[in-house]
Amino acid sequence: KQEVTQIPAALSVPEGENLVLNCSFTDSAIYNLQWFRQDPGKGLTSLLLIQSSQREQTSGRLNASLDKSSGRSTLYIAASQPGDSATYLCAEGAQKLVFGQGTRLTINP
Amino acid sequence: DAGVIQSPRHEVTEMGQEVTLRCKPISGHDYLFWYRQTMMRGLELLIYFNNNVPIDDSGMPEDRFSAKMPNASFSNLKIQPSEPRDSAVYFCASSLGRDTDTQYFGPGTRLTVL
Repeated sequence: KQEVTQIPAALSVPEGENLVLNCSFTDSAIYNLQWFRQDPGKGLTSLLLIQSSQREQTSGRLNASLDKSSGRSTLYIAASQPGDSATYLCAEGAQKLVFGQGTRLTINP
Repeated sequence: DAGVIQSPRHEVTEMGQEVTLRCKPISGHDYLFWYRQTMMRGLELLIYFNNNVPIDDSGMPEDRFSAKMPNASFSNLKIQPSEPRDSAVYFCASSLGRDTDTQYFGPGTRLTVL
């Protein structure tokens, strides 16, 4: 059974810093690895989806990488802004997604 | 498109009452998912449908929970009878259904069972 873990549970950094969020999974036979953003009181918004055959995906200041051999994915956020403050969740699967507990990110002005 | 629509946004009920949560998926999406989010257990998939047919309900916690999708534009999740431990945020999501398609989430229904 796939298990997805995100450490740390919370992270606070000053504005402008580059940062990395971590996601680990136990079963390397994955379908897709997705990163979502959740704002307080809102639903999830998909940020990036990495297919099993891919190594990374980029969108603007976001870059997600996937290393199946080590069971890890990272989300890199460049030049962080206060508007990036949210909870970031990673999830593995195709239709049946298994989510990590999320990392609550705070960017301080 | 208005996105995935859920109603109500907030529901407060007393233990033992029946609760019905509603979802309208994005038009044209073949898959519909129901999730539950709690602080303790995070986000868990309860059940999902493909073309209105339930595919996997292994996440439904117990017989008190049931979900139906009578047509392509509507689904409901019922809890009868409700218990305080059912208090959570319930999300509905939909997708086109190919393996590389992302899921689009609704705003959620916050359920409080007193």
